[in-house]
Amino acid sequence: DQQVKQNSPSLSVQEGRISILNCDYTNSMFDYFLWYKKYPAEGPTFLISISSIKDKNEDGRFTVFLNKSAKHLSLHIVPSQPGDSAVYFCAAKGYRDDKIIFGKGTRLHILP
Amino acid sequence: DVKVTQSSRYLVKRTGEKVFLECVQDMDHENMFWYRQDPGLGLRLIYFSYDVKMKEKGDIPEGYSVSREKKERFSLILESASTNQTSMYLCAIPSGGANGELFFGEGSRLTVL
Repeated sequence: DQQVKQNSPSLSVQEGRISILNCDYTNSMFDYFLWYKKYPAEGPTFLISISSIKDKNEDGRFTVFLNKSAKHLSLHIVPSQPGDSAVYFCAAKGYRDDKIIFGKGTRLHILP
Repeated sequence: DVKVTQSSRYLVKRTGEKVFLECVQDMDHENMFWYRQDPGLGLRLIYFSYDVKMKEKGDIPEGYSVSREKKERFSLILESASTNQTSMYLCAIPSGGANGELFFGEGSRLTVL
């Protein structure tokens, strides 16, 4: 059973507009949520994370929002740039657990 | 700078061959992980190791084994490669942060014919 779900396999957004990537989870014992970005033929790179005790974390153009009651988080990218075209993975870490569980990913296309 | 080095970026093997994928880290970390990434399936944990000679199965260990004889080196072994093991293989180590952030190598793209 998937504990971390990304229900949109792909998303297309106009350059300069806001990109919103969504993620749902089932395990209320996760203590951190992370977003990774992956280009083809490269390893994933860490983007931003949020602790389960927060509801928002911001880093430059990237903001992650956490809604614990809905077990939902989202990554906002604004403004979207061509270099943001990549696959984005939502991930979660459990309390006292070293393993990270990943979603299936969402491919983001930034249109010129 | 954290370095996770995967020995081969691209490999092509035949069905039934034994395949070794090597990963070396320079952070002296106890934990090392092997994932595979497939389109539409995300990153799935194959095996991880929490110390030398210690290993634990991940979510999809079937068809794979691992070896950790030295702290800096974690090897993934396909005893008899099959076409459904064609994939991108990714090695990772924790960055050490409380958020559990993993630092990944560049990946090894394996094609099994």
